[in-house]
Amino acid sequence: AQTVTQSQPEMSVQEAETVTLSCTYDTSESDYYLFWYKQPPSRQMILVIRQEAYKQQNATENRFSVNFQKAAKSFSLKISDSQLGDAAMYFCAYWGTSGTYKYIFGTGTRLKVLA
Amino acid sequence: DGGITQSPKYLFRKEGQNVTLSCEQNLNHDAMYWYRQDPGQGLRLIYYSQIVNDFQKGDIAEGYSVSREKKESFPLTVTSAQKNPTAFYLCASRLGSNSQETQYFGPGTRLLVL
Repeated sequence: AQTVTQSQPEMSVQEAETVTLSCTYDTSESDYYLFWYKQPPSRQMILVIRQEAYKQQNATENRFSVNFQKAAKSFSLKISDSQLGDAAMYFCAYWGTSGTYKYIFGTGTRLKVLA
Repeated sequence: DGGITQSPKYLFRKEGQNVTLSCEQNLNHDAMYWYRQDPGQGLRLIYYSQIVNDFQKGDIAEGYSVSREKKESFPLTVTSAQKNPTAFYLCASRLGSNSQETQYFGPGTRLLVL
């Protein structure tokens, strides 16, 4: 069975600095997708970035980028030029293509941004 | 605007009562999901549906029931058999084809037991 692990329950970053959130996963599938979702205090889940496993190039969305290491089964999120609005829970998620149609979520990392 | 709506935002349940959480989407998505979120435990899958009139149990289906009579609607009933229903409930949807893997979420319903 697939698993997703976020080993950092909480992280802090100074405004305008860079922070990296960690995520590791375990799977026997060769084709899958990985996601980072943001959950601000409003509790609305917002898609931050997605990565297709067969693409070697790391995904980037403005200030957000990932470091995808397929062999190591690692999928970290880097937030550059951190802003106060980045403060939220961040969830790493996995979706396989084997037909189970289920997403596997990590337990989340709470990011605090210090002014 | 296209999106997913959940109602109510807050719901109170009395002991022994069944309550139903609404989830509606106008994205023309085939697949819909229900998750439960407790503090420190991330999201746990309750039920999911890939097409109308079909649904599957997730990891914590006991004490819950669903129906999928219409493509745009996937209501969740929390029955009296669910002994600890206090949680935040999130509904999500996905377009449905294998190439459309991204999941989108509604704003959630907070369920509290009186």
